[in-house]
Amino acid sequence: GNSVTQMEGPVTLSEEAFLTINCTYTATGYPSLFWYVQYPGEGLQLLLKATKADDKGSNKGFEATYRKETTSFHLEKGSVQVSDSAVYFCALLSGNTGKLIFGQGTTLQVKP
Amino acid sequence: EPEVTQTPSHQVTQMGQEVILRCVPISNHLYFYWYRQILGQKVEFLVSFYNNEISEKSEIFDDQFSVERPDGSNFTLKIRSTKLEDSAMYFCASRGEGIYGYTFGSGTRLTVV
Repeated sequence: GNSVTQMEGPVTLSEEAFLTINCTYTATGYPSLFWYVQYPGEGLQLLLKATKADDKGSNKGFEATYRKETTSFHLEKGSVQVSDSAVYFCALLSGNTGKLIFGQGTTLQVKP
Repeated sequence: EPEVTQTPSHQVTQMGQEVILRCVPISNHLYFYWYRQILGQKVEFLVSFYNNEISEKSEIFDDQFSVERPDGSNFTLKIRSTKLEDSAMYFCASRGEGIYGYTFGSGTRLTVV
């Protein structure tokens, strides 16, 4: 079945460091891919998405490119801030009913 | 911006009791979902609902669970007889046609004691 694998956390970075959070997927065909962010004590917010191969999703300085050759959708940001500290979830849209399948989440801690 | 609203934000219940978690999806959306997140773990799909019926459910969604859209605006998740392991954050989501507008509520934290 379809699945998503994310790099294990927590990831701890200093402010202004470069961020990469790896995400790979297993799926039939080319599903839409998403990154969601969960700030402490809050719900899930869509960060960015890509609907087809080679699409680049971007938002708030974060980017991810849909790579079908490597079945990956890695999240990157050039310069992280303390306010980016959160849990990041990679997800894919699965099947006809539109359910999302999530990775296990990666906790990012950014220190001043 | 339209929101998915969930109530209550936190509910504590005794083991064996019934709970109903409530959601108001975005008004013109057609597809509705419940997900849950056990503390510190990943978000898991429970059920999808379309055209007044369940379109898909996971193995987690056993006979203790049911969903309903009683009045055309609310979307509820009922757990008939709660267990300790039902303690989790429950998220409601809705979307329109296609993938656009897939929106999550802020969740209900259910604690079973």
